[in-house]
Amino acid sequence: EVQLVESGGGLVRPGGSLRLSCRASGFTSSNYGMSWVRQAPGQGLEWVSTISDNLYYAESVKGRFTISRDSSNNMLFLQMNSLRADDTAVYYCAKYQNTITSIFDHWGQGALVTVS
Amino acid sequence: IAMTQSPSSLSASVGDRVTITCRAGQAIDNYLNWYQQKPGKAPQLLISAASSLQSGVPLRFRGSGSGAEFTLTIDTLQPEDSATYYCQQSYTIPTFGQGTKLEIK
Repeated sequence: EVQLVESGGGLVRPGGSLRLSCRASGFTSSNYGMSWVRQAPGQGLEWVSTISDNLYYAESVKGRFTISRDSSNNMLFLQMNSLRADDTAVYYCAKYQNTITSIFDHWGQGALVTVS
Repeated sequence: IAMTQSPSSLSASVGDRVTITCRAGQAIDNYLNWYQQKPGKAPQLLISAASSLQSGVPLRFRGSGSGAEFTLTIDTLQPEDSATYYCQQSYTIPTFGQGTKLEIK
């Protein structure tokens, strides 16, 4: 069974840093594209970053966030620096249905990041 | 690519048929996916490639369309269909519609 479990969320001051982790199980995450998608309180879904054949970032986080993975431990990470109030959101780890097409077929439960 | 859903919200009764529309800012072939999200939960993939129903999703959910206009239809609405529905294009860097909140009367 595919499972994604995020950790590392919390309260951080503006300008601070936080590192989110996503532990994958039930599949080999390095064989799939993996993404972070966030949802601000009461708002819709916003794609943040993807690691697949390359690294991709939303304009709003480019230069501040870094996506990476540890294939040996089936882990995905999001290093978030220079955090701003508008980064406050639930951050979901999401798995691509295949290697490169952004169809998100499994999601984690989410990690809340509050910048205040 | 901007994605625009309509309506933003709707209210319907059990047994009704509802349709949600999603328009892309440019043609995206059939690279359109639909998700259902219930309060406090992660989104769940319902339909990929405009009309391909995911395993385990009830047959009352149907997707159609191509190019720039797509629809999600729910036949015979059930109480558990109360949720927010999002479209998402996978033609380029992914973008989501703003969501349609479906309330069951």
